[in-house]
Amino acid sequence: NAGVTQTPKFRVLKTGQSMTLLCAQDMNHEYMYWYRQDPGMGLRLIHYSVGEGTTAKGEVPDGYNVSRLKKQNFLLGLESAAPSQTSVYFCASSKLASSYNEQFFGPGTRLTVL
Amino acid sequence: RKEVEQDPGPFNVPEGATVAFNCTYSNSASQSFFWYRQDCRKEPKLLMSVYSSGNEDGRFTAQLNRASQYISLLIRDSKLSDSATYLCVVSASGGSYIPTFGRGTSLIVHP
Repeated sequence: NAGVTQTPKFRVLKTGQSMTLLCAQDMNHEYMYWYRQDPGMGLRLIHYSVGEGTTAKGEVPDGYNVSRLKKQNFLLGLESAAPSQTSVYFCASSKLASSYNEQFFGPGTRLTVL
Repeated sequence: RKEVEQDPGPFNVPEGATVAFNCTYSNSASQSFFWYRQDCRKEPKLLMSVYSSGNEDGRFTAQLNRASQYISLLIRDSKLSDSATYLCVVSASGGSYIPTFGRGTSLIVHP
């Protein structure tokens, strides 16, 4: 099993450009999450999904959109990138969001917006 | 007040030392508690869940204090390889159990 994979690993964008980050999991997990991590800020939840076809906003959703058309994939889109979106983006999945449920993380995508 | 708070450190300790971190949470309805470990520029990975009765895994001991709303992580006989950031994670009961992460505590173990 590959676990959770993220594509791409690195990306540099210019202000105003758009891009899509892909997260894929092969563990048949119901829940998927997108986080950003900035120095000194910890992990902040952008959007999450509790199942195929559903999405919900997290703590910092502005400037991002997501889609979960297939259970195994969770896409994060930036329609018009801004320098404030320079960050490391982590995707995670969990079997269910029940008590004592472990999250599995992808290796991260390092995004720089110039 | 942030929902989950941790001392960012860094905690700088010699090999063999015992070190403890605390994490406080504000939501009294919290049900699930975890410690994750994150190495530099890597993804977080589960270190251990924290049960009401406390739990131990080798050199690591986690405890929960519901009355004071904090969890703790104790590392005995520190190794150089323990150097990492330790993230506290809390989930509330009901709803969707979406976890909240603390900002992490940095541990540096030196020779």
